[in-house]
Amino acid sequence: NAGVTQTPKFRILKIGQSMTLQCTQDMNHNYMYWYRQDPGMGLKLIYYSVGAGITDKGEVPNGYNVSRSTTEDFPLRLELAAPSQTSVYFCASNPIVGTDTQYFGPGTRLTVL
Amino acid sequence: GIQVEQSPPDLILQEGANSTLRCNFSDSVNNLQWFHQNPWGQLINLFYIPSGTKQNGRLSATTVATERYSLLYISSSQTTDSGVYFCAVEPNPGNTGKLIFGQGTTLQVKP
Repeated sequence: NAGVTQTPKFRILKIGQSMTLQCTQDMNHNYMYWYRQDPGMGLKLIYYSVGAGITDKGEVPNGYNVSRSTTEDFPLRLELAAPSQTSVYFCASNPIVGTDTQYFGPGTRLTVL
Repeated sequence: GIQVEQSPPDLILQEGANSTLRCNFSDSVNNLQWFHQNPWGQLINLFYIPSGTKQNGRLSATTVATERYSLLYISSSQTTDSGVYFCAVEPNPGNTGKLIFGQGTTLQVKP
């Protein structure tokens, strides 16, 4: 298993541009999450999904959108990028809530200039 | 919302020393996990430990849910233990796995 994979690893955007961060897991996990980590801080939840077709907001959803059309993929969309969205973005998945830890992807480092 | 506080914020150890990291949380939780973020930024899960004690090699963790804290013990530290250690909780009633992270403890192990 490759686990949780994310693309791209790095990206620089100009203010106002849009992009999609890709996240794929091959463990057949129902639960998937997007977090952001600002420098020197812990992670904050942006959006999560409990299964294909079901998504919901986390702590910091403004400026982002998600979709979950398959179990494997959970893309995060940034519309009209702003400097405040400069961060490292992590995708994670969970097999069964309440019994196991979350598994994290390697992260995408995004800079908005 | 629930508050998660980790202490100490920074820790410097000589290789071979032992350490204890603490995580306090302000409300009852359904789920508590410890993670290590290595110097390259990768997050590695260490323990899923909503209550009780677990051990994995030189690392062990204890959560006392009724008193709202968890401890991570690192024995005979090695330079590869350097990085940031995060505690994360899912508040009750939890059924989605949404985690609230603490600010982390930055550990530096010197050779």
